Amino acid sequence: SAVISQKPSRDICQRGTSLTIQCQVDSQVTMMFWYRQQPGQSLTLIATANQGSEATYESGFVIDKFPISRPNLTFSTLTVSNMSPEDSSIYLCSAGGGRGGYGYTFGSGTRLTVV
Amino acid sequence: GIQVEQSPPDLILQEGANSTLRCNFSDSVNNLQWFHQNPWGQLINLFYIPSGTKQNGRLSATTVATERYSLLYISSSQTTDSGVYFCAVDLDSGNTPLVFGKGTRLSVIA
Repeated sequence: SAVISQKPSRDICQRGTSLTIQCQVDSQVTMMFWYRQQPGQSLTLIATANQGSEATYESGFVIDKFPISRPNLTFSTLTVSNMSPEDSSIYLCSAGGGRGGYGYTFGSGTRLTVV
Repeated sequence: GIQVEQSPPDLILQEGANSTLRCNFSDSVNNLQWFHQNPWGQLINLFYIPSGTKQNGRLSATTVATERYSLLYISSSQTTDSGVYFCAVDLDSGNTPLVFGKGTRLSVIA
């Protein structure tokens, strides 16, 4: 199964600033997925990132706020822009699935606190 | 879209007790996974189990795809089992994202 390295693991940021989260996969994957987990909640999909095309965003998430890059089949970034305290969450990337029988794996998460 | 319901939402166990967590889903799925989220937020993949039964130590899982439910069994619980257990499904593995249930928050007390 795919192994994903995600960084940073945590950060404390000032409101109005931006943070870029990186995910590196140890194998080539077609799709990568970005999730947000607000405190005490389940995971909510932000967007799907397909290499070579613009990311597809879920309802309630917009590209200006959460721009995503997918420059190749092993790497993706998510930027949280113009942050407010409401953006304080855990952000996770995911990849895998397919027919290998291992399912999806997740990065270790980025715990973001906006002050 | 597909709905995933988990029960119970919260569970408190004495160390050594057994428990069963349930996951119901509203449509046929290609994949079902159980995860444990530890206190640091990391998601640990417990089982990839679209159908059938699997066991890993004190944990086992069963998915009955035709009846659209899955069960996670925890035997002889330990305090380190505490955390949130998530069930997640997808319709087309590799091409569609996992859809998560709301989770079961488990607290194991000594």
